[in-house]
Amino acid sequence: DADVTQTPRNRITKTGKRIMLECSQTKGHDRMYWYRQDPGLGLRLIYYSFDVKDINKGEISDGYSVSRQAQAKFSLSLESAIPNQTALYFCATSAGTNRYEQYFGPGTRLTVT
Amino acid sequence: AQSVTQLGSHVSVSEGALVLLRCNYSSSVPPYLFWYVQYPNQGLQLLLKYTTGATLVKGINGFEAEFKKSETSFHLTKPSAHMSDAAEYFCAVSEGNAGNMLTFGGGTRLMVKP
Repeated sequence: DADVTQTPRNRITKTGKRIMLECSQTKGHDRMYWYRQDPGLGLRLIYYSFDVKDINKGEISDGYSVSRQAQAKFSLSLESAIPNQTALYFCATSAGTNRYEQYFGPGTRLTVT
Repeated sequence: AQSVTQLGSHVSVSEGALVLLRCNYSSSVPPYLFWYVQYPNQGLQLLLKYTTGATLVKGINGFEAEFKKSETSFHLTKPSAHMSDAAEYFCAVSEGNAGNMLTFGGGTRLMVKP
């Protein structure tokens, strides 16, 4: 079984809709991250969390919110989706003891029409 | 602020040829450097990393990279390309005092011709 899972894997939604992307991990890591990937831009950090009570904005947090429901679960919400949020979204985890090494989920491809 | 530049968004090599993917970084402190690989429809997986110590680091699948401080580079190489190496490769940098945030380059797509 995968250590970092993301649901859904693919999603098409309409402009203005609220959508939630979910991430779960069985690695026991304390740190979790959300990135978006756009062609030519690499991955950019949206939000990160060092533990359940610690949530921080990343480079491109506008239009997004997150919830760390438990150590193993970290959700990303788009409150009112817009077309330029069409991208590939990745969740990642890392451990405090080896925090520089991140482990990625398989990604969610989101299309906003 | 840290940043990463990958020269060449697409690189094409023949099977058996040398693979060279270029990465230059900027960092205000000694960096930690990483190469990640992304196979089609998959997430990223760590290929290799440099933190401290030996500047030539070896990774999985025969890849290696050399940290050159004077050139602010961390180029990825493999002596002989295999068809299975076709993927997208990302260089990333982390500054230790920035809470282990990774900054990624734009990625290089490697194509391997038979």
